Amino acid sequence: NAGVMQNPRHLVRRRGQEARLRCSPVKGHSHVYWYRQLPEEGLKFMVYLQKENIIDESGMPKERFSAEFPKEGPSILRIQQVVRGDSAAYFCASSPRQGRNEKLFFGSGTQLSVL
Amino acid sequence: DQQVKQNSPSLSVQEGRISILNCDYTNSMFDYFLWYKKYPAEGPTFLISISSIKDKNEDGRFTVFLNKSAKHLSLHIVPSQPGDSAVYFCAAKTWSALNFGKGTSLLVTP
Repeated sequence: NAGVMQNPRHLVRRRGQEARLRCSPVKGHSHVYWYRQLPEEGLKFMVYLQKENIIDESGMPKERFSAEFPKEGPSILRIQQVVRGDSAAYFCASSPRQGRNEKLFFGSGTQLSVL
Repeated sequence: DQQVKQNSPSLSVQEGRISILNCDYTNSMFDYFLWYKKYPAEGPTFLISISSIKDKNEDGRFTVFLNKSAKHLSLHIVPSQPGDSAVYFCAAKTWSALNFGKGTSLLVTP
């Protein structure tokens, strides 16, 4: 399967714990995007990364959330000290290059549940 | 601030008829528009797109129309099939990321 791979598919955390969501982009894609979907809402942009660089983090909450896309390995979205409001589906997408006419390829998402 | 709006949360259409899904946007800097289809527990999959230099793009049963002056686009599916039942998201692109609407849930009934 050469698509965007996200794991885990489901993640349960208690309030105050850390959540780590992983995303392996399509092979050869160097641009990664993270989106969050709250219940009954559309997908909200969080962050856009290129290898080792954060390009646009305008949608990322200022506290507790961080993202990285290292030279080797998957992209990681990290949520520290999770709260109930963090419960959502988190989707990762990738594209081969940056450009106005580039479409994004999405993974199946990680459903985070905070108890 | 919702820059891409899909004002119909749901739509029900009979099999064989035309489905029309609508989308409005507010940001005149958007110049590339896409429609994604999403099934439950899956990620969105790309359906069709249109550049702002065009007003129509067709791919099989799917056609997207763009009216830049009205900042409006629509997706036409004809004929509609039960397998088209899904949530459809309109998205608009700037230089970095896609901005999504809240989606329209389409139900195609036999």
